[in-house]
Amino acid sequence: SAVISQKPSRDICQRGTSLTIQCQVDSQVTMMFWYRQQPGQSLTLIATANQGSEATYESGFVIDKFPISRPNLTFSTLTVSNMSPEDSSIYLCSVLAGLVVEGLFFGEGSRLTVL
Amino acid sequence: AQSVSQHNHHVILSEAASLELGCNYSYGGTVNLFWYVQYPGQHLQLLLKYFSGDPLVKGIKGFEAEFIKSKFSFNLRKPSVQWSDTAEYFCAVSAYSGAGSYQLTFGKGTKLSVIP
Repeated sequence: SAVISQKPSRDICQRGTSLTIQCQVDSQVTMMFWYRQQPGQSLTLIATANQGSEATYESGFVIDKFPISRPNLTFSTLTVSNMSPEDSSIYLCSVLAGLVVEGLFFGEGSRLTVL
Repeated sequence: AQSVSQHNHHVILSEAASLELGCNYSYGGTVNLFWYVQYPGQHLQLLLKYFSGDPLVKGIKGFEAEFIKSKFSFNLRKPSVQWSDTAEYFCAVSAYSGAGSYQLTFGKGTKLSVIP
């Protein structure tokens, strides 16, 4: 298993600003992911955070809007840039800590409200 | 690419009633199947998973799920629900290419409300 800490847990932001969310894991993990859960929606994968290289983005998500860093095997950040109200969502960090059959472990999420 | 469909958006049950939440997936290859639960105000937790072997898998808190390959289904069941089972339940399917590509795709979730 893995224990995942996300900061901030929630924030209220102004339109046009940017916010960086941090994800810290208590152990080295093979893969880290960032998901978004919009109100009333399911979880949508934003990108896979790759250690030491550029993240791999899913269709509909781009690096300019959601820059991601992963400097080591236990830490990653997601920045939501130039925010608009449509970016109001819960952003979740998740990790694959062991075998793929174990599934993903999730952080508690960061709830962003953009005014 | 894989996809997951959950049949019910919101299910309301009385305590002690039996539960079955539907989940169908589409994917042409080998899959791993999961049910996650999100209790109010808490993060996602793994409820149970299927990898291989016995298609009837048992998870925590008395939940079980049956993988029916011919129907591409992985329905979640519990014989008798409790008020504490009130939560949102997500079915998910994972695919791993072995070349470092891993994706976990979620259904839209089913909100379960259990009335005392």
